[in-house]
Amino acid sequence: NAGVTQTPKFRVLKTGQSMTLLCAQDMNHEYMYWYRQDPGMGLRLIHYSVGEGTTAKGEVPDGYNVSRLKKQNFLLGLESAAPSQTSVYFCASSYLLTGGIFYEQYFGPGTRLTVT
Amino acid sequence: AQKITQTQPGMFVQEKEAVTLDCTYDTSDQSYGLFWYKQPSSGEMIFLIYQGSYDEQNATEGRYSLNFQKARKSANLVISASQLGDSAMYFCAMREGLNSGTYKYIFGTGTRLKVLA
Repeated sequence: NAGVTQTPKFRVLKTGQSMTLLCAQDMNHEYMYWYRQDPGMGLRLIHYSVGEGTTAKGEVPDGYNVSRLKKQNFLLGLESAAPSQTSVYFCASSYLLTGGIFYEQYFGPGTRLTVT
Repeated sequence: AQKITQTQPGMFVQEKEAVTLDCTYDTSDQSYGLFWYKQPSSGEMIFLIYQGSYDEQNATEGRYSLNFQKARKSANLVISASQLGDSAMYFCAMREGLNSGTYKYIFGTGTRLKVLA
């Protein structure tokens, strides 16, 4: 199993450009998440999905859109990139909560995005 | 609202000694899970240990143990016999149960641990 993969690993954008980050998981997880990590701020949730075709806003959703057309994929889009979106982006997935058991998140390797 | 607080931005520990990384949480849910992750300088997030709110015993995984004090809402990570490879950023996280209506994991701001030779 590849686990959680992210494409691309690095990207440099100019202000105003758009791009899509792809997250794929092969563990049949229901839940998927997009985070951004900035120095001193931990991981902040951008958007998440609790199943195919469903998405919801997290803590810092402005400037981002997401889609989950297939269970295994979760796409994060930046329509008009801004320097404030320079960050490391992590995708994660998790099993459903079942029988009172909470499962850990499985993380992708991250995407380092720089917006100039 | 759920919240995770890690008050130690940085810690030093001598090799082979034990170290405790603090984590306090806030939730109104009776059912929740607490997690610790390690992030080395290479950047990946590595799951270390999990504690369920109804678990009566503290979780242990090798050299890692979680000191869970429910009444104080604390979930400190204890690393025994520190190794140089333990130098990393450590994040505490929480996931509330379905009663809260949320499916989110909340992370603290992290503690950077440096192990000294």
